[in-house]
Amino acid sequence: QKEVEQDPGPLSVPEGAIVSLNCTYSNSAFQYFMWYRQYSRKGPELLMYTYSSGNKEDGRFTAQVDKSSKYISLFIRDSQPSDSATYLCAMSLKNQAGTALIFGKGTTLSVSS
Amino acid sequence: EPEVTQTPSHQVTQMGQEVILRCVPISNHLYFYWYRQILGQKVEFLVSFYNNEISEKSEIFDDQFSVERPDGSNFTLKIRSTKLEDSAMYFCASSGHGGYQPQHFGDGTRLSIL
Repeated sequence: QKEVEQDPGPLSVPEGAIVSLNCTYSNSAFQYFMWYRQYSRKGPELLMYTYSSGNKEDGRFTAQVDKSSKYISLFIRDSQPSDSATYLCAMSLKNQAGTALIFGKGTTLSVSS
Repeated sequence: EPEVTQTPSHQVTQMGQEVILRCVPISNHLYFYWYRQILGQKVEFLVSFYNNEISEKSEIFDDQFSVERPDGSNFTLKIRSTKLEDSAMYFCASSGHGGYQPQHFGDGTRLSIL
């Protein structure tokens, strides 16, 4: 059973749309949840990280965690062409540094102007 | 903004040769990591390193791999005898200490084994 599942897309939306990106996971022991953005030929860039169930907002981005459903989401409001990238969810089993991140496969997003 | 830097950006090596990938983590970070991403697949954890010791390693990180912090700024991944299946993007990451600190990634080294 795959630990972290993420629909690879591609997802295509017009500029200004609200985007919803999602991951499900099987291991209820995951404690920290992260979203990374990866542009072509670049490394993963941290967008947000969160520990508890609920919402966390940062500008146009909102991360949502539902531990009871083992489901996390990233919402992007007022999407821009510059948001076109691959979005990776990642999770950590332990509440400490040095711990491996388990990644989803990534969802490719294309925002057209 | 401080960043993780990796060199070279692309490395081409003959199968069976040794290769060393280099990383300069963010200067005040104490935890260092290597991940790899085979084309079309997930980013996979290889190893984490703290205080000159391996903290955690995955099943992928077998005896052909080793890591080292040869000086105060560099962190390296050595692959002793490369195989075709080692072809991948290799990402270095670093994180701070004190509670949970997120990992910040470099732009990777693309390793091509011929």
